[in-house]
Amino acid sequence: DAGITQSPRHKVTETGTPVTLRCHQTENHRYMYWYRQDPGHGLRLIHYSYGVKDTDKGEVSDGYSVSRSKTEDFLLTLESATSSQTSVYFCAISPAGTGELFFGEGSRLTVL
Amino acid sequence: GENVEQHPSTLSVQEGDSAVIKCTYSDSASNYFPWYKQELGKRPQLIIDIRSNVGEKKDQRIAVTLNKTAKHFSLHITETQPEDSAVYFCAASIDYGQNFVFGPGTRLSVLP
Repeated sequence: DAGITQSPRHKVTETGTPVTLRCHQTENHRYMYWYRQDPGHGLRLIHYSYGVKDTDKGEVSDGYSVSRSKTEDFLLTLESATSSQTSVYFCAISPAGTGELFFGEGSRLTVL
Repeated sequence: GENVEQHPSTLSVQEGDSAVIKCTYSDSASNYFPWYKQELGKRPQLIIDIRSNVGEKKDQRIAVTLNKTAKHFSLHITETQPEDSAVYFCAASIDYGQNFVFGPGTRLSVLP
């Protein structure tokens, strides 16, 4: 399954607490992405990375930060979770030049 | 920025019939248009894509057409089968696939 894993797969947390989601790949691809999926909105890009320590914002980046200290790991952090961040989060990798996204299995986050 | 609309939001067809899903995009610079299929509880997976220098692409029972002048592209599924039931997402990219904007999705139900 494209060598990409996400953790945790499910998490319930309370408003105001910090949350970190991890995406790990074994493919050594430069490009990694974090999307959120909500009914009626499709997949919306939060942040992406094109290399170690190279990251940029997507269309819904407010309230999220990312870090990529190693090629294989891309972390998404919610500094202070809010109920509007309840969603399914997908990490994706993309082999350079192909355009194809390979998604992880998703992380379902519920913020109470 | 790019905006992608997708219609219909839900579609029911009888097994064996054809299904058509349409997307429109706003940025004339977009040059890569993939389609992803997401089965219930699973991750999205690429099923077909088309680049702006091509008007049509076919892969067995699925095809995609692109009209650059009108800025719309469509997914055609012929001889539908129950396993075609899923949510389908279109997307557009202005840099051949490094960043995408997704449509909101179409839930296709194939009735036996």
